[in-house]
Amino acid sequence: DAGVIQSPRHEVTEMGQEVTLRCKPISGHNSLFWYRQTMMRGLELLIYFNNNVPIDDSGMPEDRFSAKMPNASFSTLKIQPSEPRDSAVYFCASSLEGIGSTGELFFGEGSRLTVL
Amino acid sequence: DQQVKQNSPSLSVQEGRISILNCDYTNSMFDYFLWYKKYPAEGPTFLISISSIKDKNEDGRFTVFLNKSAKHLSLHIVPSQPGDSAVYFCAASDFSYDKVIFGPGTSLSVIP
Repeated sequence: DAGVIQSPRHEVTEMGQEVTLRCKPISGHNSLFWYRQTMMRGLELLIYFNNNVPIDDSGMPEDRFSAKMPNASFSTLKIQPSEPRDSAVYFCASSLEGIGSTGELFFGEGSRLTVL
Repeated sequence: DQQVKQNSPSLSVQEGRISILNCDYTNSMFDYFLWYKKYPAEGPTFLISISSIKDKNEDGRFTVFLNKSAKHLSLHIVPSQPGDSAVYFCAASDFSYDKVIFGPGTSLSVIP
């Protein structure tokens, strides 16, 4: 079975450029999460969706960040314009929420972003 | 304001000995706790969890203990193996809110 698929795995860009990270959750999962990992703050929750609807985006650092989930099998995280402090590994995770679920998150392999 | 804290950034343990990783939380609404393990260049993977109605959950070499009054949990690995060397994240959720909050992680090194 395919796990959570993220692309690109690595992205190097210059300050001011637009960055789009993509995620395909596990089929059948109804919740999707975007996390950012940095040395200073560990794994920070940026935003999560339930049934394609954004539920909590309080972790999104600034208006430069936006996320969409147009359907159950695809989500994007966009940074425009990008800044060097956005350099981090961005993880997408999905889970099956509901009665009987374990709450376990399944993570993708991450997208490592470097903004020069 | 971190709601889930792991105050030890790193830990080194001899192979065969016990590894104890600690986690504290501040939000009394959390009722479900998880540990994730992360190897370099990979995403975190689920290891073990515990509900707030329990104080202990065991799975093979891994045991998680929960002390609700102290808002503290710990992960015990016995015996530790070199393959256990990884970053361990403690996480917590409030099922009524559905989101999972992670701690900053503890890097465990098991020395052969």
